[in-house]
Amino acid sequence: NAGVMQNPRHLVRRRGQEARLRCSPMKGHSHVYWYRQLPEEGLKFMVYLQKENIIDESGMPKERFSAEFPKEGPSILRIQQVVRGDSAAYFCASSTLQGADTEAFFGQGTRLTVV
Amino acid sequence: AQSVAQPEDQVNVAEGNPLTVKCTYSVSGNPYLFWYVQYPNRGLQFLLKYITGDNLVKGSYGFEAEFNKSQTSFHLKKPSALVSDSALYFCAVRDKGGNNRKLIWGLGTSLAVNP
Repeated sequence: NAGVMQNPRHLVRRRGQEARLRCSPMKGHSHVYWYRQLPEEGLKFMVYLQKENIIDESGMPKERFSAEFPKEGPSILRIQQVVRGDSAAYFCASSTLQGADTEAFFGQGTRLTVV
Repeated sequence: AQSVAQPEDQVNVAEGNPLTVKCTYSVSGNPYLFWYVQYPNRGLQFLLKYITGDNLVKGSYGFEAEFNKSQTSFHLKKPSALVSDSALYFCAVRDKGGNNRKLIWGLGTSLAVNP
């Protein structure tokens, strides 16, 4: 059973370009979470999705950021018109359709560098 | 508001000595509590969780944690530290009540085990 797969592992974008980060959850997992980790800081929640639904996007910046988790295929975190401040590690986690006591499993992250 | 505090940015211990990484939390209801570990340039790995029952929880790699409701703490412990335990440790909490399954994270504690 493969773990949570994120790609790419490293992504370099110039200011103004778009960044697309992909996350394939563990098999059987229907909940996906995206987190951002800035240097010297902890994890910051961004968005929580189920298949075809955004459940909680309270941590998403109001502009330029969007996320989806389609019926088929991976979850995508999209950052439009990237700026240097978007440089960070972005982690995806997934969990099963169970209670709130279920732990989430993390991917290895995508490290975005905006130059 | 829910919050998690890890009061120590860094903990240093000698190999073979016991270690403690501290975590305190604040939630409106009863908590689910989690510990994760992050090795350099890797994603987070689940260590252990407290759901209910025995206050002492045993997890992976010989780690354990004690839930203390009166002190609202969930400190991570290990009787004898290994150099390979050196990593970043995160405490997280989720409120049992409600439908929001978002985890609230501490800022992390860097553990350095010296040979």
